[in-house]
Amino acid sequence: EAGVVQSPRYKIIEKKQPVAFWCNPISGHNTLYWYRQNLGQGPELLIRYENEEAVDDSQLPKDRFSAERLKGVDSTLKIQPAELGDSAVYLCASSQLRTDEAFFGQGTRLTVV
Amino acid sequence: SQQGEEDPQALSIQEGENATMNCSYKTSINNLQWYRQNSGRGLVHLILIRSNEREKHSGRLRVTLDTSKKSSSLLITASRAADTASYFCATARGGSARQLTFGSGTQLTVLP
Repeated sequence: EAGVVQSPRYKIIEKKQPVAFWCNPISGHNTLYWYRQNLGQGPELLIRYENEEAVDDSQLPKDRFSAERLKGVDSTLKIQPAELGDSAVYLCASSQLRTDEAFFGQGTRLTVV
Repeated sequence: SQQGEEDPQALSIQEGENATMNCSYKTSINNLQWYRQNSGRGLVHLILIRSNEREKHSGRLRVTLDTSKKSSSLLITASRAADTASYFCATARGGSARQLTFGSGTQLTVLP
């Protein structure tokens, strides 16, 4: 069974440019998360979806970040415009509703220069 | 914000030794989970302990939970070089992975 798939693995962009990350969760997983992980830190939740509904986006910087999960499967996280402080690893994870374990993708390492 | 704080931040041991990592948290929880992250990779779930449990084992892993002290420990016995990774505790306030909050991690290095 395929795990959580993210692309791209690495992205380098200049500040003020837009960038988008894509995530394909494990088949049948209703819940999808986007986390941001700064160097030397643990992941911090940006947004959580249950099916196609964003049920927790309190930590998403809405002035420049947006996300969507059309049809309740794949998801895209976008940053526009990117700032130097956005450099981090962006992790996507998925889980089944009312289960305790989250499954993570390998992440996208973003470098803003 | 980080709910859990791991201690130590970094740990270096010889192969065959035991490694102990600690996690403290602030609010009441439903369960506490430990994840491993190899360099440049995603996180992998290792073990979960519920708030009404005190100790749990899985292979070479042993986890304890003290809810009165709001702390947990992860013991890896007979460590191997392949155990080199960052280890994170994550607390779940609700009854699922939906409300996981991660600590800042312990970087474990196992020297061959």
